[in-house]
Amino acid sequence: ILNVEQSPQSLHVQEGDSTNFTCSFPSSNFYALHWYRWETAKSPEALFVMTLNGDEKKKGRISATLNTKEGYSYLYIKGSQPEDSATYLCAFTTSGTYKYIFGTGTRLKVLA
Amino acid sequence: DAGITQSPRHKVTETGTPVTLRCHQTENHRYMYWYRQDPGHGLRLIHYSYGVKDTDKGEVSDGYSVSRSKTEDFLLTLESATSSQTSVYFCAISGGTGRGEAFFGQGTRLTVV
Repeated sequence: ILNVEQSPQSLHVQEGDSTNFTCSFPSSNFYALHWYRWETAKSPEALFVMTLNGDEKKKGRISATLNTKEGYSYLYIKGSQPEDSATYLCAFTTSGTYKYIFGTGTRLKVLA
Repeated sequence: DAGITQSPRHKVTETGTPVTLRCHQTENHRYMYWYRQDPGHGLRLIHYSYGVKDTDKGEVSDGYSVSRSKTEDFLLTLESATSSQTSVYFCAISGGTGRGEAFFGQGTRLTVV
């Protein structure tokens, strides 16, 4: 069973703080690493997909990096806002099967 | 929004009864997935399909079966529901490259009493 681990499980930060989360995944048979944002009572929505070692993606105040050799990805949020409060999921896909294997998520709460 | 519809959205059923959840897509995507969401577990893959009549097991497939007779429909069946299958079930679709976005339905909240 492929294991995708995320840390921390939950996080409370003050508005304006910058924060980061970690996603660890198996480095063998790597195909792609996905980050999703999941707001309460909604469906997960894609933030980034990264495929190459050293990839960096940015969308507004949110960015992500990828290290496929050691099997981890970081998600950064700069200047957190209350509307950033959500669960952030990473998902790993392997070559040949196209299954999206999700981590347990990091639940972020930004306090105003 | 990707055209994915899950039905029903909410269901309460009794232990031992069969239950079928439906996922319908209008995107003509090849891959369809069923996940369950439970506190502390994120999204766990139950079954997935890579084409009509082509399905495979995920991490937590025991007690579940699936069928896909048409590109647009992927059915998840609990043959004999148990309380441990109380969960929120999400359907997802993707174009099948593994490097593209997976799009999710709105979820089905199933309670087994």
